[in-house]
Amino acid sequence: SQQGEEDPQALSIQEGENATMNCSYKTSINNLQWYRQNSGRGLVHLILIRSNEREKHSGRLRVTLDTSKKSSSLLITASRAADTASYFCATVKGAQKLVFGQGTRLTINP
Amino acid sequence: ETGVTQTPRHLVMGMTNKKSLKCEQHLGHNAMYWYKQSAKKPLELMFVYNFKEQTENNSVPSRFSPECPNSSHLFLHLHTLQPEDSALYLCASSQDRGTLSNQPQHFGDGTRLSIL
Repeated sequence: SQQGEEDPQALSIQEGENATMNCSYKTSINNLQWYRQNSGRGLVHLILIRSNEREKHSGRLRVTLDTSKKSSSLLITASRAADTASYFCATVKGAQKLVFGQGTRLTINP
Repeated sequence: ETGVTQTPRHLVMGMTNKKSLKCEQHLGHNAMYWYKQSAKKPLELMFVYNFKEQTENNSVPSRFSPECPNSSHLFLHLHTLQPEDSALYLCASSQDRGTLSNQPQHFGDGTRLSIL
């Protein structure tokens, strides 16, 4: 299975601190995507990073990809209460389906 | 507002009932998806439609029956469900299936389904 696995399963930090979440996968991929899910809502796409890219930024988000280690990380800088959500990585190979991990539940304490 | 609307948001039904979940996207996309999200399990892909044609059925029991009358609408018809089918059912869309590898998916807020 190429399923991504997020680590840690849960993370609780103070507002203003940085949050780092990791994702590991098992097979080669075309790209890896990160999504956020607020409680009771659907998933929202955050960033897509292709297999030939190593780092990508979007606002306070920074994603890295290490294909040799089959891992990715999502860094949220200067966290805010509104960042409280579950974060999922999803891997894609070819024109195949997205395969999601179980997610990291992030709590930002005011 | 994600551009993908799901109704109803909540549904409680008995095991002998028949109901339908509806999804509508206003993004001009050609690919639509049904996912099941259960507690403590990864998001599971159920069905994929591309240009109204079903391109994937991920070994879903026949008590779930999808329908895609056009590229903007997707239904999931439910009948004789089991308690283990209680979950959040999410609909998503993307530009098209062929170049999925470089496209994000846009999700609705889901239907929370409870089977009594």
